[in-house]
Amino acid sequence: NAGVTQTPKFQVLKTGQSMTLQCAQDMNHEYMSWYRQDPGMGLRLIHYSVGAGITDQGEVPNGYNVSRSTTEDFPLRLLSAAPSQTSVYFCASSDSGRVGGQFFGPGTRLTVL
Amino acid sequence: DQQVKQNSPSLSVQEGRISILNCDYTNSMFDYFLWYKKYPAEGPTFLISISSIKDKNEDGRFTVFLNKSAKHLSLHIVPSQPGDSAVYFCAASGFTGTASKLTFGTGTRLQVTL
Repeated sequence: NAGVTQTPKFQVLKTGQSMTLQCAQDMNHEYMSWYRQDPGMGLRLIHYSVGAGITDQGEVPNGYNVSRSTTEDFPLRLLSAAPSQTSVYFCASSDSGRVGGQFFGPGTRLTVL
Repeated sequence: DQQVKQNSPSLSVQEGRISILNCDYTNSMFDYFLWYKKYPAEGPTFLISISSIKDKNEDGRFTVFLNKSAKHLSLHIVPSQPGDSAVYFCAASGFTGTASKLTFGTGTRLQVTL
């Protein structure tokens, strides 16, 4: 199993550009989430999904879109990048239980100039 | 408003000694708590969890204690090893939430010295 994979690992954007961060998991997990990590702020939930076709907002959803057309994939779209979106982005997945916590991908480091 | 707080940004402990990492929360609806460990340039990895119906959970060298009345939990690592040097995040989820919707603390950087 590859677990949770994220692409790209690094990305530099100019203000106003759009892009999609890719996330895929091969564990057949129902639950998937996107977090961003900023210095001194821990990880903050952007969007999450409890199954294919179902998504909801987290703590900091503005400027981001998600969709979940398959169990495996959960892409995060930046509609018009802003310098405030410079961050490290982590995708995570888990099954319906809570015992084992979430499995995180290796992260995407995004810089918006 | 930080609902999960880790007030110590860093901690240094000698190898073989006990490491104690602390976490406080404010939301009474949280009923499940987790600790994650994170190495640089990697994603967090799950370490240990505890349900609000328990006050202690142990897994090898790692023990998590929960004090609901004080809204406080702690992670004990005994004995500490150099490989434990990492950032540790406390996380919580609520009654209506799932493992997909966690609220994280800001992290504590643990350094285990020789």
